[in-house]
Amino acid sequence: RKEVEQDPGPFNVPEGATVAFNCTYSNSASQSFFWYRQDCRKEPKLLMSVYSSGNEDGRFTAQLNRASQYISLLIRDSKLSDSATYLCVVNRATDSGYSTLTFGKGTMLLVSP
Amino acid sequence: DAGVIQSPRHEVTEMGQEVTLRCKPISGHNSLFWYRQTMMRGLELLIYFNNNVPIDDSGMPEDRFSAKMPNASFSTLKIQPSEPRDSAVYFCASESGLQGSSYEQYFGPGTRLTVT
Repeated sequence: RKEVEQDPGPFNVPEGATVAFNCTYSNSASQSFFWYRQDCRKEPKLLMSVYSSGNEDGRFTAQLNRASQYISLLIRDSKLSDSATYLCVVNRATDSGYSTLTFGKGTMLLVSP
Repeated sequence: DAGVIQSPRHEVTEMGQEVTLRCKPISGHNSLFWYRQTMMRGLELLIYFNNNVPIDDSGMPEDRFSAKMPNASFSTLKIQPSEPRDSAVYFCASESGLQGSSYEQYFGPGTRLTVT
């Protein structure tokens, strides 16, 4: 099983639609979870962290289900500018006690007029 | 703040040549990461430095790849000799996190490498 799995998409939605992305992770010891956004031919940038209680940032809502090792991202009222690839990211502890991030391959979202 | 700076932005080279990629992390950040991104494999961690010391290089593909961080403001990733399968976008990222935690990583614009 891959460390972080996502549906690659693309998800094609009209402006104003609500769209949800899901992600599963394999390491039950993971403690930190994030969604990053990557625009075409650009670098990834942090969109939001994901907390156990769920969290919201404007039109974006992230949820974490530790029991199922599942993370979700909900985008309401989609805008053209939301078109991007959304990367699910999970931390991984190294043998030396440090922590690094493992990135999913991303889910592509295309919002059309 | 200028953010993470990478150079060159694009590199086209012939198989067998040496390639050196450069990175300047955000001032004050104590962790630096080199990643490689391809369509097939996504974003892969190559090596991770903390306070200029390599912590985890398990992602470095093979002996042809080497990375150094001589000081807190500069790192290089070298490929010698380069091969066509090394063609990818190479990102450098920095973070101000502490041991055992993951904080936000700031990525540079990447170097798009093409090996012919």
